[in-house]
Amino acid sequence: IAGITQAPTSQILAAGRRMTLRCTQDMRHNAMYWYRQDLGLGLRLIHYSNTAGTTGKGEVPDGYSVSRANTDDFPLTLASAVPSQTSVYFCASSPQPGSQETQYFGPGTRLLVL
Amino acid sequence: SQKIEQNSEALNIQEGKTATLTCNYTNYSPAYLQWYRQDPGRGPVFLLLIRENEKEKRKERLKVTFDTTLKQSLFHITASQPADSATYLCALGSGNQFYFGTGTSLTVIP
Repeated sequence: IAGITQAPTSQILAAGRRMTLRCTQDMRHNAMYWYRQDLGLGLRLIHYSNTAGTTGKGEVPDGYSVSRANTDDFPLTLASAVPSQTSVYFCASSPQPGSQETQYFGPGTRLLVL
Repeated sequence: SQKIEQNSEALNIQEGKTATLTCNYTNYSPAYLQWYRQDPGRGPVFLLLIRENEKEKRKERLKVTFDTTLKQSLFHITASQPADSATYLCALGSGNQFYFGTGTSLTVIP
């Protein structure tokens, strides 16, 4: 069982380019999340999905979009990357939505926008 | 907005001692509080969850307390080992939102 996989592992991207970060889970979890982690700011929620077909905005959603076409996949798209989006991005999932649920995190994608 | 503060960016202790990490929060009354461990270059890993009506929760050498009056959680690692060296994060949920503290980096010195 792989758990959560993320791709790519790392990426250098020119400002203005479009980029999709991929996230796949094999645990049949209903809820999925995208976070960014920056030094001194910790993990901040970008978008979430409580179940396939639904998505919602987190604390820092601007400049990002997500889709949840099925249970397993939750891609994060940067339509036009900017240097402030340089960060480490983590995808996570939980069996159900809600603050009582354990979140399982992927290994992260390290993104550098120049 | 939610604010979560964790004590000192770095904590160094001697092997065998008890490490105590603090998580303080404001502007919220969470029903649950979680603690995660994060190693360099990896994603966080869940350790413990404590409910608002639980004062204390234990798991092996780990102990978490939750004081909703003080709006504070304490995370203890007893008989600490060098392998416990990592960054520890506390997290709160509010509806569909999750808020993480910036973490405390713990180093256990042999």
